[in-house]
Amino acid sequence: DTGVSQDPRHKITKRGQNVTFRCDPISEHNRLYWYRQTLGQGPEFLTYFQNEAQLEKSRLLSDRFSAERPKGSFSTLEIQRTEQGDSAMYLCASSSIRRQGMAYEQYFGPGTRLTVT
Amino acid sequence: EDKVVQSPLSLVVHEGDTVTLNCSYEVTNFRSLLWYKQEKKAPTFLFMLTSSGIEKKSGRLSSILDKKELFSILNITATQTGDSAVYLCAVEYNFNKFYFGSGTKLNVKP
Repeated sequence: DTGVSQDPRHKITKRGQNVTFRCDPISEHNRLYWYRQTLGQGPEFLTYFQNEAQLEKSRLLSDRFSAERPKGSFSTLEIQRTEQGDSAMYLCASSSIRRQGMAYEQYFGPGTRLTVT
Repeated sequence: EDKVVQSPLSLVVHEGDTVTLNCSYEVTNFRSLLWYKQEKKAPTFLFMLTSSGIEKKSGRLSSILDKKELFSILNITATQTGDSAVYLCAVEYNFNKFYFGSGTKLNVKP
């Protein structure tokens, strides 16, 4: 399968624990995005990378959240000291860049559903 | 404040009906508008629109963008039960940032 993959697909954790999610984008895509989606809402932008550089972070991304893409390939999203409000679907998406600097459409992974008890 | 608003929030139709979903936006430095279909999994890409007045079509689905009035519509003709999903509109702005609407939940009954 050459699509975007995410691991794990489901995570249940207790409040206060740390969790880490992984995203493997489509191999030739240099842009990688993280989103959070709650029930009945569209995906909310969290952060994105171009190659290994993290270009922007949403104000939604508190200091408990950190994301990395060390070699410009896979990315990890870590949440420290999880809270019940962190329960959501965490989606990863990847895209290429057009020559003029505009992004191609994003392709989404299946998501990681986090439940904080 | 940047925003993307979709309407209606939900819609129930019968197979064979035609539906029109709406997306209006107010963002700085608009670059493109995208439509996605989301069933009980990740969103799947439908259309990307960058120019006003040019219809994009794929089978029974079509979409058009009006950059003057700041909206887009997604049409689905001869609906089928397999079209039941949440349809998301996303706007690309400020160099590769994407703002999603809350979606329209479509339920197509047999």
